[in-house]
Amino acid sequence: DQQVKQNSPSLSVQEGRISILNCDYTNSMFDYFLWYKKYPAEGPTFLISISSIKDKNEDGRFTVFLNKSAKHLSLHIVPSQPGDSAVYFCAASLLTGNQFYFGTGTSLTVIP
Amino acid sequence: NAGVTQTPKFQVLKTGQSMTLQCAQDMNHNSMYWYRQDPGMGLRLIYYSASEGTTDKGEVPNGYNVSRLNKREFSLRLESAAPSQTSVYFCASSEMEDQPQHFGDGTRLSIL
Repeated sequence: DQQVKQNSPSLSVQEGRISILNCDYTNSMFDYFLWYKKYPAEGPTFLISISSIKDKNEDGRFTVFLNKSAKHLSLHIVPSQPGDSAVYFCAASLLTGNQFYFGTGTSLTVIP
Repeated sequence: NAGVTQTPKFQVLKTGQSMTLQCAQDMNHNSMYWYRQDPGMGLRLIYYSASEGTTDKGEVPNGYNVSRLNKREFSLRLESAAPSQTSVYFCASSEMEDQPQHFGDGTRLSIL
């Protein structure tokens, strides 16, 4: 049973606009969340994380928002660039846990 | 700085054959992981090693065995390959269990 869900398999955005990628989770005990970016034929690379004591974390063009009551997190990329075209995975774990549960990924295409 | 290195990159096996996937990291990380990625399923944890000398099952351990050979190396063995094990396998490492993971570029395994 998928505990972390990314319901949009794909997303297309114009260069310079905002990309919003969404992620939902079912386990209310999750309290640490990450986003990874993956290019074809490469492994995922860590992008940004957030713990449950925050509702927002920002790193340059990337911002992650967490809504614990809705069990929802989102990744905002502003402004979007063609090099951001990749598959984005969200992942969740217990802060004291040793397993990360991954979503199915959203393929982002940024159109020049 | 190689990071996480996986060998081989590609492999084709026949049903019933055995195979060991190799993984090595040069970041002095304590924890290492094996995932499989299947279409529509995201990354699923097969086995992990929180520290040298320990291994534990993840979400989908059946049909696999692992060995944490030393702090650098973590291998995944398929004793009797089945077509259902056709997948892309990723090895990852992290400094500690609850830290973001660094991934290798994957092994694409096909079982006929």
